[in-house]
Amino acid sequence: KQEVTQIPAALSVPEGENLVLNCSFTDSAIYNLQWFRRDPGKGLTSLLLIQSSQREQTSGRLNASLDKSSGRSTLYIAASQPGDSATYLCAVLMDSNYQLIWGAGTKLIIKP
Amino acid sequence: GAGVSQSPSNKVTEKGKDVELRCDPISGHTALYWYRQRLGQGLEFLIYFQGNSAPDKSGLPSDRFSAERTGESVSTLTIQRTQQEDSAVYLCASSLTWASYEQYFGPGTRLTVT
Repeated sequence: KQEVTQIPAALSVPEGENLVLNCSFTDSAIYNLQWFRRDPGKGLTSLLLIQSSQREQTSGRLNASLDKSSGRSTLYIAASQPGDSATYLCAVLMDSNYQLIWGAGTKLIIKP
Repeated sequence: GAGVSQSPSNKVTEKGKDVELRCDPISGHTALYWYRQRLGQGLEFLIYFQGNSAPDKSGLPSDRFSAERTGESVSTLTIQRTQQEDSAVYLCASSLTWASYEQYFGPGTRLTVT
């Protein structure tokens, strides 16, 4: 059974710092891995999607890496801003049944 | 202690037919959300309900899509005259209130339009 773990559960850093969020999964038979952010009162926003054959994806100040064999992904946020405050979730899409398995999220607070 | 449930878990339909997807949220959750995810793409927000009203319908991809919710309970997402591009996993989530951080997702309905 696939398990997705995100560490840390919460993180508070001063504005301007670079930071890394971690996601690990137990079953490497994934189709892709996605990172999302969740803001209060809104739906999820998809940030980055990495196909299982890819190593990383970049969008603006965000960079996500994937090491499928070791079951790890990281989301790197450069030069953090207060607007980055949100809960960040990773989710893996299983190869076998295309079910989406979610991590519990990392709650990020960027202090001005 | 049931979570969010969705039915059916899988649906195969012919192009042009109508389909109805059902979501049962966690009891007591006033907010309910629908998303879809096409293979290889990110999650798309479709619509959310606060109670039985839907203040934000901007994510519905076309007028073939509609959704209803009975009180603060069951929601149905209806797709009329299905097209192949409608094939996706349709996810439902609920939260205590619309402002809650925590959204609890159902297992999804995998829709395949042939």
